Amino acid sequence: DAKTTQPTSMDCAEGRAANLPCNHSTISGNEYVYWYRQIHSQGPQYIIHGLKNNETNEMASLIITEDRKSSTLILPHATLRDTAVYYCIVRLYGQNFVFGPGTRLSVLP
Amino acid sequence: GAVVSQHPSWVICKSGTSVKIECRSLDFQATTMFWYRQFPKQSLMLMATSNEGSKATYEQGVEKDKFLINHASLTLSTLTVTSAHPEDSSFYICSARPITGGGNTIYFGEGSWLTVV
Repeated sequence: DAKTTQPTSMDCAEGRAANLPCNHSTISGNEYVYWYRQIHSQGPQYIIHGLKNNETNEMASLIITEDRKSSTLILPHATLRDTAVYYCIVRLYGQNFVFGPGTRLSVLP
Repeated sequence: GAVVSQHPSWVICKSGTSVKIECRSLDFQATTMFWYRQFPKQSLMLMATSNEGSKATYEQGVEKDKFLINHASLTLSTLTVTSAHPEDSSFYICSARPITGGGNTIYFGEGSWLTVV
């Protein structure tokens, strides 16, 4: 799997948008970008994934650059319950998920 | 969304005993399930890939005789930690990949805390 790099930690004010970056400069053409998050002492939760186009669902938006070498996960209105570790993962269809250290997002009141 | 359930959520066992953790996909079938281990303040580490009806595939460094995996049906995989020791204490997480409908996404269980005393 292509490696990803994410900031170790980020803070965000409650109610503001949280923008979490991810670099995946060695991504191949068929690899998807996935985002999961893990709230303390729970299993990872699927957020969103995409291949080339930007994606949006009820949880978040995923913005993928045109060259696909980086992406940003956007939580439009962060709440305290969004405090978690966010993992950006790049993988081919059917491959295992390889987790890096992720970004620890703290939403502050 | 798809639901994966693990049981027990937490377990305490004595050193030298064995403990079994179940992973069930509740509303979908999965030919492939994955087992991860996570130590405090660390990321998830893949232990093995469990395939229904066949032997599991273990990651390098994971002892297959110590971590027994059985995937007897399309909705159930079990992980048995044999002769557990305190260093096996960890958060064990399973995930499952649906056969149909969401095949490119995997869903995770809630995790199982194992404490060996």
